[in-house]
Amino acid sequence: RKEVEQDPGPFNVPEGATVAFNCTYSNSASQSFFWYRQDCRKEPKLLMSVYSSGNEDGRFTAQLNRASQYISLLIRDSKLSDSATYLCVVNTPHGGNNRKLIWGLGTSLAVNP
Amino acid sequence: DAGITQSPRHKVTETGTPVTLRCHQTENHRYMYWYRQDPGHGLRLIHYSYGVKDTDKGEVSDGYSVSRSKTEDFLLTLESATSSQTSVYFCASKREGTEAFFGQGTRLTVV
Repeated sequence: RKEVEQDPGPFNVPEGATVAFNCTYSNSASQSFFWYRQDCRKEPKLLMSVYSSGNEDGRFTAQLNRASQYISLLIRDSKLSDSATYLCVVNTPHGGNNRKLIWGLGTSLAVNP
Repeated sequence: DAGITQSPRHKVTETGTPVTLRCHQTENHRYMYWYRQDPGHGLRLIHYSYGVKDTDKGEVSDGYSVSRSKTEDFLLTLESATSSQTSVYFCASKREGTEAFFGQGTRLTVV
């Protein structure tokens, strides 16, 4: 089993739709979680951190389910500009006090007019 | 945006030549990372650093070495470039418990 798994998609949705992505992780000791957005041929950029109580930033909502070891990203009222690849990242203990970032392969979203 | 820059941004080199990519950050971040990204593989970790002169191998470290003599600089060296090392290379840095910030990437072509 991969340490972090995402459905690669692609997700093709019309403008205005609501779309949700899930990401599962294998290490129950993982401590922090993030969603990144990556546009074609560009560097990944932080979309939002994921907090235990869930958090919202405008049209975006992130949730963490520690019992089932997954995080989710919900995008409401999709815009054409939301088209990108969404990467799930998990910060995992790695020897002593060190941490390691584990990246999912990403979920591709295409929002269509 | 965090101050993290990569150089060069683009490079074409011949098989068998050594290549060094530089990552420079001005955020005093403890952790630094080198990734490569290829179609169908996502981000793959090459090497990472916990601090000055403290580095470790990632999942695709063969053929690569790194050095971190100063907090702000993390160098990636391809000792003898091969065509399989043609890729986009990203550097990232972070503090403890926070998100990672990426450089803009280096497109390396080995011919």
